[in-house]
Parts: sequence; C-alpha cells; structure tokens
Amino acid sequence: AQKVTQAQTEISVVEKEDVTLDCVYETRDTTYYLFWYKQPPSGELVFLIRRNSFDEQNEISGRYSWNFQKSTSSFNFTITASQVVDSAVYFCALTPPNAGKSTFGDGTTLTVKP
Amino acid sequence: GAGVSQSPRYKVTKRGQDVALRCDPISGHVSLYWYRQALGQGPEFLTYFNYEAQQDKSGLPNDRFSAERPEGSISTLTIQRTEQRDSAMYRCASSSGLAGAETQYFGPGTRLLVL
Repeated sequence: AQKVTQAQTEISVVEKEDVTLDCVYETRDTTYYLFWYKQPPSGELVFLIRRNSFDEQNEISGRYSWNFQKSTSSFNFTITASQVVDSAVYFCALTPPNAGKSTFGDGTTLTVKP
Repeated sequence: GAGVSQSPRYKVTKRGQDVALRCDPISGHVSLYWYRQALGQGPEFLTYFNYEAQQDKSGLPNDRFSAERPEGSISTLTIQRTEQRDSAMYRCASSSGLAGAETQYFGPGTRLLVL
C-alpha cells in the first residue's frame, strides 16, 4: 500500500521568507514517480514537478526547488523569497509504475502575508 | 491548447437522484483518471482508463458509482441514487502517455452537493 504524509497542515510566513514544505512517502515499489501540485484559491490543481525514483538529483526552477532523498523517503519543496501569489494548498503525490492510481497527501496550506 | 474540461462545474441534486459528470480530456491524451476530493483533503483515486479500457476501478466506493469512456475520449462518471455523503469535488485528469510515469493534468472539477 502507498501512503503520502504531509505533516504540516498550515504554514504562515511573511513575504520574502523562505519556506519548506515536507513530504514523506511509503511504497513497496522500487520504481515510482513523485509529484507536487499547487491548488490556488481558485481551486484548480496545477502541476509543478514530476520526479522519477531513480533520479535523485535535486531540481531548481526559479524560486522553487525540490530535494528528493530516497534514503529517507522524502521529497521536500522549498520556495525561496516567498510572494503573496504563492499562497495556496500544495499537494505531494506518489504514483506506481504502469498504473494510474496516484496517492495524494492531505496538502499543506501556505499563507504568505505581505 | 485547451486543457481538461469538466461539466457541469456545479451540480446540486436531491438525495436519491442520479447524476452524470462529464470529462473532456486534453486532445490526444490516452489515459483519463477520476478522483474525488473532500474539503481539506487531497484527491482520492476512483478509477482510470487507458484509451477506452477501464484499467482500475478499485477506488470506486460502491456499486452506485460507475464510469465509462466508450470511444477513448470523453468520459462520464455516473452516481446512482445519490446520498449526502457523495457531496465532494470530483476531479478528472488526463495524461499523454499510458498511466504511471506520465504527468496527470487536472480539470477544474465538478462540485457536487447532494441535499
């Protein structure tokens, strides 16, 4: 069985602060895929990143970066110099190979105050 | 290009009525997924299709729920004899390749309220 845990239910920061959202997962598969999605107040789910389990290189995209550590089953997401527009619910998800049954965490609500 | 579309966006129905929720995937996407999202929780898998074949329906809560994708494009999720506990956001997603490695792109969802 798969499980994704996002232990931080809510985080509040002031604009320009850095913030890290934690994601810990459980799976018996040796190959799997990890995702982050953003759900802004408008409600849609926006894809941010996909990571293969066999690629442990960290990734940076502008102010966003992701730290994948297979040894600790974690896939954490850092926003540098946060902005008010970053306020949203962020979901981490795990997908097994050759199957579409993704498991999502319950999300972390990030509030960035001006 | 156009993203995943879902209709209706909002549906209010009375307990006991049947509802049909429609999903139109991104053009050319071969896999289609249905999820249900309760308030304050992440999406919960219901079922998915590769082309017109339903590959996994293990997430459907009971036999009142069914889904089809007869021509490998548009899909319909049907809930028969709705109950108040069915109230949720129903989300559809599609991917360009077969399920697994491919990124799922989500539609705006259908908010269902059963009175």
